[in-house]
Amino acid sequence: AQKITQTQPGMFVQEKEAVTLDCTYDTSDPSYGLFWYKQPSSGEMIFLIYQGSYDQQNATEGRYSLNFQKARKSANLVISASQLGDSAMYFCAMRETQGAQKLVFGQGTRLTINP
Amino acid sequence: DVKVTQSSRYLVKRTGEKVFLECVQDMDHENMFWYRQDPGLGLRLIYFSYDVKMKEKGDIPEGYSVSREKKERFSLILESASTNQTSMYLCASSFSGARANEQFFGPGTRLTVL
Repeated sequence: AQKITQTQPGMFVQEKEAVTLDCTYDTSDPSYGLFWYKQPSSGEMIFLIYQGSYDQQNATEGRYSLNFQKARKSANLVISASQLGDSAMYFCAMRETQGAQKLVFGQGTRLTINP
Repeated sequence: DVKVTQSSRYLVKRTGEKVFLECVQDMDHENMFWYRQDPGLGLRLIYFSYDVKMKEKGDIPEGYSVSREKKERFSLILESASTNQTSMYLCASSFSGARANEQFFGPGTRLTVL
């Protein structure tokens, strides 16, 4: 069965610093996708970045990058030059490519950016 | 822009009431999903549907049912609401097959059962 683990319930970072949010996963499917979502206090889930299991390079989207280490089964999110607006809950999720393509989510990390 | 809408942002119901949560998407997505979100547990899948009139149980289907009569609409039904169903409910949709990538989420419904 698929499983996503986020071991950091909360993180506090100074504005403009880089931050790494940890995510490890477990699956027996050789083909899968990894996602990061941001959830501000308003509640909506905002898609940030996607990494396919066969992608050769780490995914990047603006200030977000995904540090994908397949052998270690980790998919950490790196936010460069953090901003106050980055304060939110962050969820890592995985989807197996076959079947119903449902997402399995981690417990989430609450990130707080201090001025 | 993809849009997923949910019928209510906040809802208060009494124990034993029948509750309907509605979700509509406007991007012709095949897949639709209902999650509940609780602190420390992340999002857990209740039910999903990959086509009209098709449904499959997720990880926590007990106490819930769903209906998908039209492609754009996916309803979550609490037959007899209980206090342990107080939660945030999130609907999502996505393409299927080779076009599947991220799921698009609605704004959520915060349900309180008294």
